[in-house]
Amino acid sequence: GAGVSQSPSNKVTEKGKDVELRCDPISGHTALYWYRQRLGQGLEFLIYFQGNSAPDKSGLPSDRFSAERTGESVSTLTIQRTQQEDSAVYLCASSRWDGYEQYFGPGTRLTVT
Amino acid sequence: AQSVTQLGSHVSVSEGALVLLRCNYSSSVPPYLFWYVQYPNQGLQLLLKYTSAATLVKGINGFEAEFKKSETSFHLTKPSAHMSDAAEYFCAVTLGGGADGLTFGKGTHLIIQP
Repeated sequence: GAGVSQSPSNKVTEKGKDVELRCDPISGHTALYWYRQRLGQGLEFLIYFQGNSAPDKSGLPSDRFSAERTGESVSTLTIQRTQQEDSAVYLCASSRWDGYEQYFGPGTRLTVT
Repeated sequence: AQSVTQLGSHVSVSEGALVLLRCNYSSSVPPYLFWYVQYPNQGLQLLLKYTSAATLVKGINGFEAEFKKSETSFHLTKPSAHMSDAAEYFCAVTLGGGADGLTFGKGTHLIIQP
């Protein structure tokens, strides 16, 4: 079966522009997660959805970051007025409702110039 | 809050030798522990997980890990390294999945020498 997919795979944008990253979870997975992986660092948990509800948005790095999810399907992570420190690989994962086994997508590599 | 420490950002072993990647965690309550592998330009693949059942956990590709509560460790081992094992390995912890997300260590780059 299909795994988690993310698009685009690579995105280069100019500082100050807005970007939208997309995640398609595994069908039937109610939980969805966004992580950020900066060069040479571990993964940083950003936000979690159960269905289309995100109970805690405190992990988002700043108010320039927002995320939404339609039902138990696609999620988008939007970064407004991008800054160079936003350059990273953004990974999406999905799981069953319990979240104990998360399946990761290939990531979107964002470069802000 | 929980945290994960992976000792050694780079580990180099000879092909056929024992692989040992170290992971120590800090948690106020018994955690759930995971090892993920990341090949270049790919996402993370789950190697194995500990969810309070058997303390010795076997995973894919011949890897296993042992949960030692007294040492707060969850080290990853493989008896005989193969060239295809060269990758980045991440240890992760969660208290209960869901809204906690996963807290990851900084990763260990495993190098296999021919």
